[in-house]
Amino acid sequence: AQTVTQSQPEMSVQEAETVTLSCTYDTSENNYYLFWYKQPPSRQMILVIRQEAYKQQNATENRFSVNFQKAAKSFSLKISDSQLGDTAMYFCAFRNYGGSQGNLIFGKGTKLSVKP
Amino acid sequence: EAGVAQSPRYKIIEKRQSVAFWCNPISGHATLYWYQQILGQGPKLLIQFQNNGVVDDSQLPKDRFSAERLKGVDSTLKIQPAKLEDSAVYLCASSFPPGLGQETQYFGPGTRLLVL
Repeated sequence: AQTVTQSQPEMSVQEAETVTLSCTYDTSENNYYLFWYKQPPSRQMILVIRQEAYKQQNATENRFSVNFQKAAKSFSLKISDSQLGDTAMYFCAFRNYGGSQGNLIFGKGTKLSVKP
Repeated sequence: EAGVAQSPRYKIIEKRQSVAFWCNPISGHATLYWYQQILGQGPKLLIQFQNNGVVDDSQLPKDRFSAERLKGVDSTLKIQPAKLEDSAVYLCASSFPPGLGQETQYFGPGTRLLVL
């Protein structure tokens, strides 16, 4: 069974600085998807960034980028120029490629606080 | 475009009572998911529907939980009778069917359930 591990329960960063959130996963599959979701306090979960395992190029979305290391089964999220609105729980998630089952397997999350 | 709608947003019940949650997915999304998010953990899949059929309900506690999506659009999740450990946020998500390359799941605001 696939598992996702986020080893940092809480992190903090000063506004405008850069922070990296860690995620490792375990799977025997070769093709899969990886995601980072953001869940602000009392607000709904939204997608931050997505990576397909067959793509070697790391995904980027504005201030958000990932470092995908397939052999090491590592998928870290880098947030540049942190803003107060980035304060949230961040979840790393895995799902298999193909097939009819779309189940996302989530880590326990990292609580990020951006300080002014 | 309207997002995933859920109601109610909050519910407090006594143990052994019953409760129902409602979800309306994004228009055109054939796949609907119910997740349970216990405090301090990542969401865990309860059930996945494709149109009005069940794709995966392997983690649904069927002795007390039931879900339906009769017309392939709205869905209802029911708990009867509730236990203290059912206190959690119940998230509904929708997406296009897996395997079409549009794998992103969009989440609703969730229903926060407290069982006393």
